[in-house]
Amino acid sequence: ETGVTQTPRHLVMGMTNKKSLKCEQHLGHNAMYWYKQSAKKPLELMFVYNFKEQTENNSVPSRFSPECPNSSHLFLHLHTLQPEDSALYLCASSLGQGPSYNEQFFGPGTRLTVL
Amino acid sequence: SQQGEEDPQALSIQEGENATMNCSYKTSINNLQWYRQNSGRGLVHLILIRSNEREKHSGRLRVTLDTSKKSSSLLITASRAADTASYFCATVPNQAGTALIFGKGTTLSVSS
Repeated sequence: ETGVTQTPRHLVMGMTNKKSLKCEQHLGHNAMYWYKQSAKKPLELMFVYNFKEQTENNSVPSRFSPECPNSSHLFLHLHTLQPEDSALYLCASSLGQGPSYNEQFFGPGTRLTVL
Repeated sequence: SQQGEEDPQALSIQEGENATMNCSYKTSINNLQWYRQNSGRGLVHLILIRSNEREKHSGRLRVTLDTSKKSSSLLITASRAADTASYFCATVPNQAGTALIFGKGTTLSVSS
């Protein structure tokens, strides 16, 4: 195990539901990331937080809302999603942000299905 | 924009054979990393090679980097069925604070 946990592991939701994905890291890292992995596409970086501050938002639709209350926890709040948002959502952390700290540790992911 | 591009997209070999995967990228980098992903799971970091390094080894893994050709290769020697997974290269551009940019990956299947 890498020290990054994600819950739930699987989630099925309707387009009108509101749900949240949770990520927790036990590695003492300061940077946390959300990625989306769809079939036959490269991993897409969604958001980056460094010391609880959002440092990157990769033009993600507003129906995805991240929250980082502290350096160990990261949430992704979901509302009014579309079927094309169905994917594996991966959380990752690294010691810091920048070329010196780039080894990332990934959680197992949440498999999201939007009906 | 996509940075890393792995080749081949899929590779099937027998146990004991070597597996070679290639990665090409577009812009100058600080470092390049290889990750492995078992089906439907998170990624696991395998090895990092910096732009001033040409070759790196870790167990049965050998990574090369050619910055003049903007390419890298991952060699897995004496492959095992447990090596079956998807392998991704990820680049760190030279701009400060920029996160990893992943390619689409190579799916390796090792049969016994």
